[in-house]
Amino acid sequence: NAGVTQTPKFRILKIGQSMTLQCTQDMNHNYMYWYRQDPGMGLKLIYYSVGAGITDKGEVPNGYNVSRSTTEDFPLRLELAAPSQTSVYFCASSSSLNSNQPQHFGDGTRLSIL
Amino acid sequence: AQSVTQLGSHVSVSEGALVLLRCNYSSSVPPYLFWYVQYPNQGLQLLLKYTSAATLVKGINGFEAEFKKSETSFHLTKPSAHMSDAAEYFCAVSDRGGGGNKLTFGTGTQLKVEL
Repeated sequence: NAGVTQTPKFRILKIGQSMTLQCTQDMNHNYMYWYRQDPGMGLKLIYYSVGAGITDKGEVPNGYNVSRSTTEDFPLRLELAAPSQTSVYFCASSSSLNSNQPQHFGDGTRLSIL
Repeated sequence: AQSVTQLGSHVSVSEGALVLLRCNYSSSVPPYLFWYVQYPNQGLQLLLKYTSAATLVKGINGFEAEFKKSETSFHLTKPSAHMSDAAEYFCAVSDRGGGGNKLTFGTGTQLKVEL
């Protein structure tokens, strides 16, 4: 039972490079989310999606883009990497059956921008 | 807008002692509340959730939390700490109908368990 799978687990980028963080879930969840976690700051929502073809901004969307072409996949793209984007990124998903459903998290991608 | 405050970024207890991690929320509607645990280099795992069915909620690993509307609190407790409880704990509130079941997280409490 895979749940939410994120790749890669670690990555080092140079300033100005671009990359895509991959996220896939096998629970047939409609809702998916991207967070970043910085020390002492908790988790901040970057983008979320309520279904294939529908995405919306969260609290900290600047410098990121997302797409949702299928129910399973929700990639996060960094176009021009900046040192401020050094963080741990988590993808999550939840059922849309009702609003008390918990979110299920992947193990994260640790990204360093140098 | 909803928010969550976790008092104490670091809590240290002795093995076998009571664990108390504090969470206060702010929400304009009756909230759904969650506690998650994060072990090193892992994602977040659900400990328990409050969805208005009962004010005392029991979760995994012997943890429980009590919803107190008058105090806008949802503190996490465990009667006897174990070394394996050392982790970071996050309290979160759901937007409840705002679209997408978005969560707002507290800043986390790092729990250290000492011999």
